[in-house]
Amino acid sequence: NAGVTQTPKFQVLKTGQSMTLQCAQDMNHEYMSWYRQDPGMGLRLIHYSVGAGITDQGEVPNGYNVSRSTTEDFPLRLLSAAPSQTSVYFCASSPTPPRGARGNTIYFGEGSWLTVV
Amino acid sequence: DAKTTQPPSMDCAEGRAANLPCNHSTISGNEYVYWYRQIHSQGPQYIIHGLKNNETNEMASLIITEDRKSSTLILPHATLRDTAVYYCIVRGYNNNDMRFGAGTRLTVKP
Repeated sequence: NAGVTQTPKFQVLKTGQSMTLQCAQDMNHEYMSWYRQDPGMGLRLIHYSVGAGITDQGEVPNGYNVSRSTTEDFPLRLLSAAPSQTSVYFCASSPTPPRGARGNTIYFGEGSWLTVV
Repeated sequence: DAKTTQPPSMDCAEGRAANLPCNHSTISGNEYVYWYRQIHSQGPQYIIHGLKNNETNEMASLIITEDRKSSTLILPHATLRDTAVYYCIVRGYNNNDMRFGAGTRLTVKP
């Protein structure tokens, strides 16, 4: 059971370039989300999805696009990267409605380190 | 979701209990208290959650006050590997907009 898988783990971009961070989960979770974490700070929610075809904005959505064409995948797109988007990005998933003893707990990927120069 | 307040940092001696407080004075009746931790450079890890009763699992215990305005996460026998940032989050049962604050940086010392 792979859980939540993020790729790539490390990426360096030039300002203005575009890229997609991939996220996949094999737990049949309906809910998926993306967070960013800047040095010394907590996680901030970028976008989330409660099911295929449904997405919504979190705290810091500007500069990012998402789509949810399948239950398993939730890619995060940076259309024109900026140095302010240098951060560690975490993808997460959760069952919705809650299933099992852990209810609405959220499972995180290992993170993607992005540097924009 | 209700806002939470945690101390920015705490120390604990190895082998002793670590008690991490969290204030959530504006919590509403259908909101749960969740605890996660993040060990350096890793994704956050679920620890425990509860509504109003005290909870215990293999990792920790969660003590929620009777008025539900605060809670305490207890690591009964802290080890060096428990050094991490601990996040207290209040979240509605069906609300998927889970937001993390700055958390408490726990340092377990030998």
